[in-house]
Amino acid sequence: AQSVTQPDIHITVSEGASLELRCNYSYGATPYLFWYVQSPGQGLQLLLKYFSGDTLVQGIKGFEAEFKRSQSSFNLRKPSVHWSDAAEYFCAVPPAYSGAGSYQLTFGKGTKLSVIP
Amino acid sequence: DGGITQSPKYLFRKEGQNVTLSCEQNLNHDAMYWYRQDPGQGLRLIYYSQIVNDFQKGDIAEGYSVSREKKESFPLTVTSAQKNPTAFYLCASSIGRPSTDTQYFGPGTRLTVL
Repeated sequence: AQSVTQPDIHITVSEGASLELRCNYSYGATPYLFWYVQSPGQGLQLLLKYFSGDTLVQGIKGFEAEFKRSQSSFNLRKPSVHWSDAAEYFCAVPPAYSGAGSYQLTFGKGTKLSVIP
Repeated sequence: DGGITQSPKYLFRKEGQNVTLSCEQNLNHDAMYWYRQDPGQGLRLIYYSQIVNDFQKGDIAEGYSVSREKKESFPLTVTSAQKNPTAFYLCASSIGRPSTDTQYFGPGTRLTVL
């Protein structure tokens, strides 16, 4: 079964520091990959997604992610973190796309980001 | 503005009661989803509907039921058969297939069993 792993449960960074959140996937073919963000008590918002082509993907709020097939990774980065970035971040990947039955995304368990002023 | 609304924001249920969570979207999306979120477990799919009058079970459908009588509405009923219903429930929608289409999420309903 296809899966996605976020190794870090909780990360704390200082405001203005750079950020990298890790996401590793298990997938036979080139996957579609998503990063979502969830503010406390809120729904999820899409930050960016990768389907094919350029392996460096730009998203909203100054985030970017790089797809590395050799490492089965799709890490999320931001050069300078703002206090408002404190939230939980989820990586997601669809199951093997066989046509029938591929109706859900598999989400990682999330990485909670805390920002020190 | 287009979006997804969920109501109520907070819901309290006594053991043995059925409760219904509302989800409405005005994005003209075909597909709608219900997820359950528990601390440290990410999101788990309860039910999915790609078109009106059709829906499929997700990973954790036991103790839940849904209906899709209108394109805009996808209510979730938490029945008394659900043994541990306290959780945060998220509704989402997408244009079509979740494999490729962005899912848009509502603000969620927090259900607590008293």
